[in-house]
Amino acid sequence: DAGVIQSPRHEVTEMGQEVTLRCKPISGHNSLFWYRQTMMRGLELLIYFNNNVPIDDSGMPEDRFSAKMPNASFSTLKIQPSEPRDSAVYFCASSLIGQGGSPLHFGNGTRLTVT
Amino acid sequence: AQTVTQSQPEMSVQEAETVTLSCTYDTSESDYYLFWYKQPPSRQMILVIRQEAYKQQNATENRFSVNFQKAAKSFSLKISDSQLGDAAMYFCAYRSASAGGFKTIFGAGTRLFVKA
Repeated sequence: DAGVIQSPRHEVTEMGQEVTLRCKPISGHNSLFWYRQTMMRGLELLIYFNNNVPIDDSGMPEDRFSAKMPNASFSTLKIQPSEPRDSAVYFCASSLIGQGGSPLHFGNGTRLTVT
Repeated sequence: AQTVTQSQPEMSVQEAETVTLSCTYDTSESDYYLFWYKQPPSRQMILVIRQEAYKQQNATENRFSVNFQKAAKSFSLKISDSQLGDAAMYFCAYRSASAGGFKTIFGAGTRLFVKA
């Protein structure tokens, strides 16, 4: 099992540019989550999917943020246009919700820096 | 809404000693799951231990154990025989066991320092 795979590991971009973060969940998991981690706000849940369907995107901070899950093995989080305050570590996690206390399995995260 | 509180921003422990990290949560539900995750400097989030609320027995994983007090809504993590590799941020987390209980809610974290 390769675990949750995120790319890129680091992303540096200029304000106003589009940023796309990618995630491959663990095969067989039915739920996928995008979190953002900052010193000030800790771990924030941005959006989650169940069986590729977005269930709750109330954590997405603004319309500049969007996420898709076109199939069970791939998801993207896009920020357009990016702003310096979007700088953070973005985590993708997957889980098998509905199968007991299945925990979240996290990717290594993408550190985003917007200058 | 459920909340998770970790009241200790930082803790330190001497190598080979025991340390306990505190966590309290607020919920009106009776069935849920509780987790402790570790985040070392590499930033990878790693599951340390989990507890089902319907189980009275405290979970144990090698040197890690929990003290689960359901009535007090308390879920502390005890690390025995602390090692240098235990130095990390530790996050307590809650998830409902109800149908549709997808969200995992995290506390603010406790940074653990281990002194050689």
